[in-house]
Amino acid sequence: DTGVSQDPRHKITKRGQNVTFRCDPISEHNRLYWYRQTLGQGPEFLTYFQNEAQLEKSRLLSDRFSAERPKGSFSTLEIQRTEQGDSAMYLCASSLASRDSSYNEQFFGPGTRLTVL
Amino acid sequence: GENVEQHPSTLSVQEGDSAVIKCTYSDSASNYFPWYKQELGKRPQLIIDIRSNVGEKKDQRIAVTLNKTAKHFSLHITETQPEDSAVYFCVFKAAGNKLTFGGGTRVLVKP
Repeated sequence: DTGVSQDPRHKITKRGQNVTFRCDPISEHNRLYWYRQTLGQGPEFLTYFQNEAQLEKSRLLSDRFSAERPKGSFSTLEIQRTEQGDSAMYLCASSLASRDSSYNEQFFGPGTRLTVL
Repeated sequence: GENVEQHPSTLSVQEGDSAVIKCTYSDSASNYFPWYKQELGKRPQLIIDIRSNVGEKKDQRIAVTLNKTAKHFSLHITETQPEDSAVYFCVFKAAGNKLTFGGGTRVLVKP
């Protein structure tokens, strides 16, 4: 499978616990994005990386959320002290930055569905 | 701020009829407007996109139009088929590389 992959696909946790999700982008893609999608809504941007540098963070990303992409390949998203409002689908996407600065398609992964009890 | 309004939120059409989804955006710096389709329980997938220097683009049964002056863009699906049933999101890219999604339109094609 050469698409974007995410692990785990489902996570159930108790309020107050920490969780970590992993995203593996398409191998040649240098940009990686995290989005959050709640039921009946469109995905909301959280943050993105170009290679290992985190270039933009949404105001939605509270200090309980942290994302890393240490080697410019896979990325992790950690949520500390989870709250019930964190329950959502967490989507990862990747794209290839063009040298001519034109915009390229973002390919989405299957998502990690988080349920906080 | 960056915002996109999408209408209608649900759309039910008879197989073979056309479906039209309309969106309005707020950021005049927007230069890229993709449309994503999300089937139940699946990931969003790009179906067509349009850039700000083009007013219309067509791909088989799908067409998009863009009016930059009015900050409107639309998706047209002709000769709808049951497999077109899904949620469709209009999206724009403003400054930077993040995508801003509309609230989605749930399209149901009745056979």
